[in-house]
Amino acid sequence: DAMVIQNPRYQVTQFGKPVTLSCSQTLNHNVMYWYQQKSSQAPKLLFHYYDKDFNNEADTPDNFQSRRPNTSFCFLDIRSPGLGDAAMYLCATSRDLNLRETQYFGPGTRLLVL
Amino acid sequence: AQSVTQLGSHVSVSEGALVLLRCNYSSSVPPYLFWYVQYPNQGLQLLLKYTTGATLVKGINGFEAEFKKSETSFHLTKPSAHMSDAAEYFCAVSDNYGQNFVFGPGTRLSVLP
Repeated sequence: DAMVIQNPRYQVTQFGKPVTLSCSQTLNHNVMYWYQQKSSQAPKLLFHYYDKDFNNEADTPDNFQSRRPNTSFCFLDIRSPGLGDAAMYLCATSRDLNLRETQYFGPGTRLLVL
Repeated sequence: AQSVTQLGSHVSVSEGALVLLRCNYSSSVPPYLFWYVQYPNQGLQLLLKYTTGATLVKGINGFEAEFKKSETSFHLTKPSAHMSDAAEYFCAVSDNYGQNFVFGPGTRLSVLP
């Protein structure tokens, strides 16, 4: 089945130690999104890629970066995780930026910062 | 700019009872409106969406929502709750170019036996 896959499902890192979360998709969608979701809160968009074009939300901290080496894969890099970065990170895709197109979400990676 | 409010962070209903989850939005342009469901430790799944046309929108799992422009509302309903409906529900809005997509704060639905 075509889907959005996130690995790992749970990630533990240490304060200040760089960490990378990965997302892959078999939908061949043009757009890939990264959201941060803290406990009991709505998902917050960090950035998205439309093909190779990177679009950062205005309030996304510089500590968060992303790479999209090809259509299928997208990575979220947290350069120096702080305790406040512990959250669920959701990857999503859509065929186009026009949100008539459904966003397909992965299962998420829960990040714990010690 | 778009914004969304969801009245009630937690709603409890009995199995078989009507489910009503409230969503009100603010938008300076005609909105697109969405309801997503999130089960524990999972990603979000689209329940239904309104873009244009018929204001009563039917979605998956027996849910439906009605766009009421005069009330700036997009409430989600289901006639008879099932235990499997227990989850977090997010209303979302975007402008009609698909930009400025914003989630509401969410409502946790509990279904009591």
